[in-house]
Amino acid sequence: DAKTTQPNSMESNEEEPVHLPCNHSTISGTDYIHWYRQLPSQGPEYVIHGLTSNVNNRMASLAIAEDRKSSTLILHRATLRDAAVYYCIPPAGSQGNLIFGKGTKLSVKP
Amino acid sequence: KAGVTQTPRYLIKTRGQQVTLSCSPISGHRSVSWYQQTPGQGLQFLFEYFSETQRNKGNFPGRFSGRQFSNSRSEMNVSTLELGDSALYLCASSLKGVLDTGELFFGEGSRLTVL
Repeated sequence: DAKTTQPNSMESNEEEPVHLPCNHSTISGTDYIHWYRQLPSQGPEYVIHGLTSNVNNRMASLAIAEDRKSSTLILHRATLRDAAVYYCIPPAGSQGNLIFGKGTKLSVKP
Repeated sequence: KAGVTQTPRYLIKTRGQQVTLSCSPISGHRSVSWYQQTPGQGLQFLFEYFSETQRNKGNFPGRFSGRQFSNSRSEMNVSTLELGDSALYLCASSLKGVLDTGELFFGEGSRLTVL
């Protein structure tokens, strides 16, 4: 099953861009990468997903490396509400086992 | 549209008891997956039900079980509770399931404390 590696924690200042990295060197060529985030005392929520090229939505942008071994979630202007744990998730393995891991805890300072 | 609803939100049990948690998915969603979240292990996949059938299962002992009804509502049961079962139990619903690229919609979870 594919695995991902993320830093345990990151800090950002409010209204500055944030780049959250994820290493997924073991994913296959047809695997999508999903990002979810979990705000305090809430269930995870979907952020974005992508396969090869960069992806944008109202919440964030996802930059995927050309070799697909890594990707970066970009929050263009961090707000206090963006303080959360961000999970980079490989596709479910052959047994449908989604692996969330520990994610990256993002702190945003005013 | 209404989101994923989990009940109860909080509960306290003692060792050896059993517990049943409920999850009502978003209308039209046929997949419900369950997760256990603890500070030490993070968010771990328990199992997935799709159209009343268990389709995938994580690495948890047989004390953890579930089922899905014809209206897609799902329940999970933990028997012979242990202290280590104290956790936040989350469910997520989706149209096609965890193997699809579609979005998972999570509930707010049921926080179980085992004394």
